[in-house]
Amino acid sequence: GQQLNQSPQSMFIQEGEDVSMNCTSSSIFNTWLWYKQDPGEGPVLLIALYKAGELTSNGRLTAQFGITRKDSFLNISASIPSDVGIYFCAGQLRGGGSNYKLTFGKGTLLTVNP
Amino acid sequence: DGGITQSPKYLFRKEGQNVTLSCEQNLNHDAMYWYRQDPGQGLRLIYYSQIVNDFQKGDIAEGYSVSREKKESFPLTVTSAQKNPTAFYLCASAGGSSYEQYFGPGTRLTVT
Repeated sequence: GQQLNQSPQSMFIQEGEDVSMNCTSSSIFNTWLWYKQDPGEGPVLLIALYKAGELTSNGRLTAQFGITRKDSFLNISASIPSDVGIYFCAGQLRGGGSNYKLTFGKGTLLTVNP
Repeated sequence: DGGITQSPKYLFRKEGQNVTLSCEQNLNHDAMYWYRQDPGQGLRLIYYSQIVNDFQKGDIAEGYSVSREKKESFPLTVTSAQKNPTAFYLCASAGGSSYEQYFGPGTRLTVT
């Protein structure tokens, strides 16, 4: 099945630093979602984007829906130890018989050193 | 509390046995999904259902079966035909005007 190209695969940063990660696709999407997964738990939805060019914030997190509809970015400002986890992007192309089906990136593993 | 429950959290089985993983949601969502997660592989779609009594194969359906007899429930059976069943299994649901999928806490299956 199709997968998104998510980068970087992993990041090691110091507490207080800003973080950026992104996803790119060869196909267009009209929804982008960003999730965070703690070890041994299910992913939790962080931000949902529905419009090309849209910039949305959730606390220290900011995500953007690329203007080409083929990419999305997630930024975390002033990282803290509890930001540790795996961050996944997911794209969706609504329409046809698969309105709710998502395509996931392989994730970015974030480690924050206190 | 509205949400998705999966049980059990940990499951151990002997090779050759079928095992059924439970997924229940009280969000009144129409669509439900099963994913498999292996280290470094991300989430891979096994089966999904957009309506009661109907479901479709995802990308890795071989060795798995599902049923959708009730809107709230979407159990997954891992059959003995699945060659590498040990994995973390995640259930999700979506519905209404939102296309966002919400996940359960997962079941870690170990087959020896």
